[in-house]
Amino acid sequence: AQSVTQLGSHVSVSEGALVLLRCNYSSSVPPYLFWYVQYPNQGLQLLLKYTSAATLVKGINGFEAEFKKSETSFHLTKPSAHMSDAAEYFCAVSPLKTSYDKVIFGPGTSLSVIP
Amino acid sequence: DTGVSQDPRHKITKRGQNVTFRCDPISEHNRLYWYRQTLGQGPEFLTYFQNEAQLEKSRLLSDRFSAERPKGSFSTLEIQRTEQGDSAMYLCASSLDRVRSGANVLTFGAGSRLTVL
Repeated sequence: AQSVTQLGSHVSVSEGALVLLRCNYSSSVPPYLFWYVQYPNQGLQLLLKYTSAATLVKGINGFEAEFKKSETSFHLTKPSAHMSDAAEYFCAVSPLKTSYDKVIFGPGTSLSVIP
Repeated sequence: DTGVSQDPRHKITKRGQNVTFRCDPISEHNRLYWYRQTLGQGPEFLTYFQNEAQLEKSRLLSDRFSAERPKGSFSTLEIQRTEQGDSAMYLCASSLDRVRSGANVLTFGAGSRLTVL
């Protein structure tokens, strides 16, 4: 079964500092991978997705993630944190088989940005 | 298109009562998913549909939960004989199947919050 782990349920960074949110997946074959963001009192929104094309994926709001097969990782980064980045971030995995499209989410990482 | 709509946004009920949530997906999306989210946790998969067919239901899901998607458009999620442990945010999402979209990108609704007293 596919699963996702996110190291660190809560991360705090200073405004302007590097953001690094960790995601590791377990799968027998490389899956599709996603990062979603949930701002307070809002629904989940897609930040970016990996679909077996380029291993470095760029998303919205300056975020990017790199797929590393050898490490089974898909960490999310942003060079310079902004106050508006404070939110809950979820990594998700979906298998490549088109007949089985269930999307599994990790437990999430809450990002705080300190002025 | 107004996106994914969920109704009601909030529901407070007494233990033992039945509740029903409705989800209207993006009109051209043929996949529809239900998730449950509790405070500080990620969305937990409940079930999903392709058109009107229910393709999978979580093995962790009690028989008190049932979902339908008649005619492949809107969907309902019913919880019978609610328990306090059912208190959560119930999220609906829709997508195009991967054959047409290339990746299973979910568009979420705002959710329906259930409080069981």
